[in-house]
Amino acid sequence: AQSVAQPEDQVNVAEGNPLTVKCTYSVSGNPYLFWYVQYPNRGLQFLLKYITGDNLVKGSYGFEAEFNKSQTSFHLKKPSALVSDSALYFCAVRDWGGSYIPTFGRGTSLIVHP
Amino acid sequence: EPEVTQTPSHQVTQMGQEVILRCVPISNHLYFYWYRQILGQKVEFLVSFYNNEISEKSEIFDDQFSVERPDGSNFTLKIRSTKLEDSAMYFCASSKTGGEVQGGIVAGANVLTFGAGSRLTVL
Repeated sequence: AQSVAQPEDQVNVAEGNPLTVKCTYSVSGNPYLFWYVQYPNRGLQFLLKYITGDNLVKGSYGFEAEFNKSQTSFHLKKPSALVSDSALYFCAVRDWGGSYIPTFGRGTSLIVHP
Repeated sequence: EPEVTQTPSHQVTQMGQEVILRCVPISNHLYFYWYRQILGQKVEFLVSFYNNEISEKSEIFDDQFSVERPDGSNFTLKIRSTKLEDSAMYFCASSKTGGEVQGGIVAGANVLTFGAGSRLTVL
């Protein structure tokens, strides 16, 4: 079985400061990992994915995520937060050899204060 | 940029009533999905659809649920007799591929494009 945990309901950060949104996962094989973002009244939008290769993945809007196999984590990061980054962030995982259906977390609300 | 559109954005219904949620996936996508999110909980997979049939479904997707692709564009989720616990945000999504591993080579992770959701409130 595959699962994702996003331990924080909400993350607050000041504009200009670095941000981290945490995600840990569990799969029986190798993971595909994804981050999606949801702005108000919009659908979830793809930000970035990890399949294989470099552990640091760069995505849209200056976001990046670091795959850590030993800690089974895939935390989302950005060096300098913008107020416009305020949104709901979802981590997702699927197992290479298992179902093609991604399993999502419950989402983390990121609030960036001016 | 192509979008997945969902209607209605919000529906209020009485317990026991039938509800149909509609989705128009992206036109060249081949895989279609329904997920739902009960308030404060994780986004849960319901069902996926490929090649005009259900390819996977979760335990949530019982006999009260059905999906259809009645024409070349719409993808619908029907709940036959709604329960209070069906109150949730329902998300439709589509993807070009299923991200299959073919001959040991990863064909590509299936990136999903989601609609904005349909909020269902069952009273």
